[in-house]
Formats: sequence, structure tokens, C-alpha cells
Amino acid sequence: QVRLKESGPRLVQPSQTLSVTCTVSGFSVTSYHVSWVRQPPGKGLEWVGAIWKGGSTDYNSALKSRLSISRDTSKNQVFLKMNSLQTDDTGTYYCAKHSEGILLWGQGVMVTVSS
Amino acid sequence: DIQMTQSPSFLSASVGDRVTINCKASQNINKYLNWYQQKLGEAPKRLIYNTNNLQTGIPSRFSGSGSGTDYTLTISSLQPEDFATYFCLQHNSFYTFGAGTKLELK
Repeated sequence: QVRLKESGPRLVQPSQTLSVTCTVSGFSVTSYHVSWVRQPPGKGLEWVGAIWKGGSTDYNSALKSRLSISRDTSKNQVFLKMNSLQTDDTGTYYCAKHSEGILLWGQGVMVTVSS
Repeated sequence: DIQMTQSPSFLSASVGDRVTINCKASQNINKYLNWYQQKLGEAPKRLIYNTNNLQTGIPSRFSGSGSGTDYTLTISSLQPEDFATYFCLQHNSFYTFGAGTKLELK
């Protein structure tokens, strides 16, 4: 069964770094691209960035300076790191599998940026 | 960057109605347009990919059309479980979502 599951802190202090892990099962991260997408409470979706199946990455130009996406192929995990967090970074962070665009989403992790 | 303008933002309709939701891209996206449904507290679910291809397991009352910069999602006869929020996504050049359409029961 194909699944993606995000894990990470629910609360992050302003100016700190967010680290979220996406653990996938049922497919290999070396065979499919994986994206990160976020959604502020009650708002729309924003593509954050992606790690392509070959291992290269691309990021949303508005967030690029604060982002890093990486992976551990032995554990079939993808990692998101975003630094210098502010309150408007609060939201649900999803990882998602690609196939003709974004196909399947994890359940998401709700992250609140607050002191 | 490609911008996506989705309309309407809100839509009130009744069970059995036919409804359409539109997305307009800021440039030609070559039919690389997907539609998603999202219910409260849940992850989005893909309905349509590449303009008019129905995702496996999605009822045939959902359909998509369009080309160039203009795309449409049609629900032919609304069912109670269809009241949700709908998003489009262009994947011609990276990824941009529409702002969403909240479909509510009239």
C-alpha cells in the first residue's frame, strides 16, 4: 500500500528552524519525485519544493533562501528544513508523491510558529 | 512564475445540480492541469489529471476540460458527499495551485 507520513514538531519558536520528515512506503523515493506543500489554516495550498527521483531539488522562489530538502534513500525518507520561521509559516505541511503532477498526499503535520 | 486564478471562490448549490469551477492560467500550461477535492481536516484527493483524465476510483460525474490558459471542472449531478473545497494545480512549469472553491449546500 502506498503511503506517506509526515512527522515533526507541532510547535516551533519564531526565528527557529523547522524540520519535518516524510516516511514513505509502497514506493521508492528513487523512483518517484516527492514534493512538500503547505497550507495555512483556512487558506489555500502552496508548493514549497521538491526532490526529484534523481536526487536534485527545486524550491518555491519565494522560500528558496530558507529551504533545504534532502532524502535518505536507505530509509525511504524525505526531509524538509526551513529556517528563520515566522508566524505566517504556521500551517499544515504535506509531503506528496508525484505522478502526472501531484498524485497522493500524506496526512500532513500541523505546525504552529509561536513563542 | 505561472499564476492561477480560480473562480468562483464560493459556490452554493443543491443536490442534483450541475456545477462548474474554472481556473485560468497566466500563460499556456499545455493541459497540465489537475483538480483536487479537499474535505475539512483531510488531505486533498486528486480527481482529474492532465485536464480531462479521471483518476481511478473517482465517479464519472466529475469531468474536466480546457486548453491553453482556461480550464473547467464540471460535476454533472451533485451528491451529498461532493460538498467540499476544490483546487486546481498547474504542473506545466513547477507547481501553482488555484486559491480554491468552497462548494456549499444551498
